[in-house]
Amino acid sequence: GAVVSQHPSRVICKSGTSVKIECRSLDFQATTMFWYRQFPKQSLMLMATSNEGSKATYEQGVEKDKFLINHASLTLSTLTVTSAHPEDSSFYICSASSQASDEQYFGPGTRLTVT
Amino acid sequence: DAKTTQPNSMESNEEEPVHLPCNHSTISGTDYIHWYRQLPSQGPEYVIHGLTSNVNNRMASLAIAEDRKSSTLILHRATLRDAAVYYCIPEAGNNRKLIWGLGTSLAVNP
Repeated sequence: GAVVSQHPSRVICKSGTSVKIECRSLDFQATTMFWYRQFPKQSLMLMATSNEGSKATYEQGVEKDKFLINHASLTLSTLTVTSAHPEDSSFYICSASSQASDEQYFGPGTRLTVT
Repeated sequence: DAKTTQPNSMESNEEEPVHLPCNHSTISGTDYIHWYRQLPSQGPEYVIHGLTSNVNNRMASLAIAEDRKSSTLILHRATLRDAAVYYCIPEAGNNRKLIWGLGTSLAVNP
């Protein structure tokens, strides 16, 4: 099956710093990638949708200047949390899909803790 | 976007079948019904999806009501590794945007 990786798996950073999370599709070309955030005991919340080579589409209430998304190639998308604050601490999950399939393939998630 | 209703939690015994229900009475005629599951501290995992006909794969079966207002995910023989939160999600349009509810937390007893 299709594999999606995320790096790092967990990260701790200080308040005010920026953190970059990578999402890679290892064995297929991901025309679309999705970024989600999940707080404890809650469901996944879609943050943004990105298509390769174009600007991401952000969901209502998600600050695009704070959560920078780059989908520069068909196998890599990055999410940068700028000027992180403790309330940004969460589980960030990416998923990827290709034109050939109706499925979304999910990464293992990145646990971000901002101190 | 179609709204779904799932039980908050269910319990099963190992090696017994499990039927996980989902109501999606406002689903549109072209939305697929997707099921994903999420183990603790992991990303979601695709389980199965269908449109109108019942579907089977190596993980599970999906039974879709004739009026498409509900569906049931069937795990034929539950194992301890099937303990997870199961999400039923009508696909919200051609952009493949998935809107997640709270799902059903399945506990499997040994």
